[in-house]
Amino acid sequence: AQSVTQLDSHVSVSEGTPVLLRCNYSSSYSPSLFWYVQHPNKGLQLLLKYTSAATLVKGINGFEAEFKKSETSFHLTKPSAHMSDAAEYFCVVSDGPSSASKIIFGSGTRLSIRP
Amino acid sequence: DAMVIQNPRYQVTQFGKPVTLSCSQTLNHNVMYWYQQKSSQAPKLLFHYYDKDFNNEADTPDNFQSRRPNTSFCFLDIRSPGLGDAAMYLCATSREGQGVSYEQYFGPGTRLTVT
Repeated sequence: AQSVTQLDSHVSVSEGTPVLLRCNYSSSYSPSLFWYVQHPNKGLQLLLKYTSAATLVKGINGFEAEFKKSETSFHLTKPSAHMSDAAEYFCVVSDGPSSASKIIFGSGTRLSIRP
Repeated sequence: DAMVIQNPRYQVTQFGKPVTLSCSQTLNHNVMYWYQQKSSQAPKLLFHYYDKDFNNEADTPDNFQSRRPNTSFCFLDIRSPGLGDAAMYLCATSREGQGVSYEQYFGPGTRLTVT
């Protein structure tokens, strides 16, 4: 069975400092992994995805994530936080072959940015 | 721009009064999903359509139904809304293929209030 764990429910950083949002997964197959961002009262927007190509994935808005199979992790990072990054972030795992019932969301990490 | 559209953005209904939420997409994706998201929680998958095939999650209450008359449109019907059904309802689409999981595209959501 697959699962995804976001290790921090809330992360607070100062503007201009690095961001690290942690995600660990469990999957019986080669997973596809995604990070989505959700601003208040908005839908979810894809930040980046890993689908068995390069293990270091670059996304939008300066975010990137590294797939580490040995650690079953897919942590999201950004070198320098911006006030507009304040939002909820979801790590998502999906096993192939295609089946929507195997899409699993993490519980989310709320990112706060201090001025 | 291709997108996922949800109407209305805000819906108020009375306890027990049927309500329908709508979703349309211009992406021509073959899969459409409905999620329920309560405050500070991850989205919870209610059901999805793979083309015309309806897939209900095991724990989705019978009170929730869905229709997909064509590729572009999908509806969520709540037959007798209760206070516990107040939530954000998110529609998403994806393009599924053999052995590959593609990212989901989310609409902005409809916030349902039950009075």
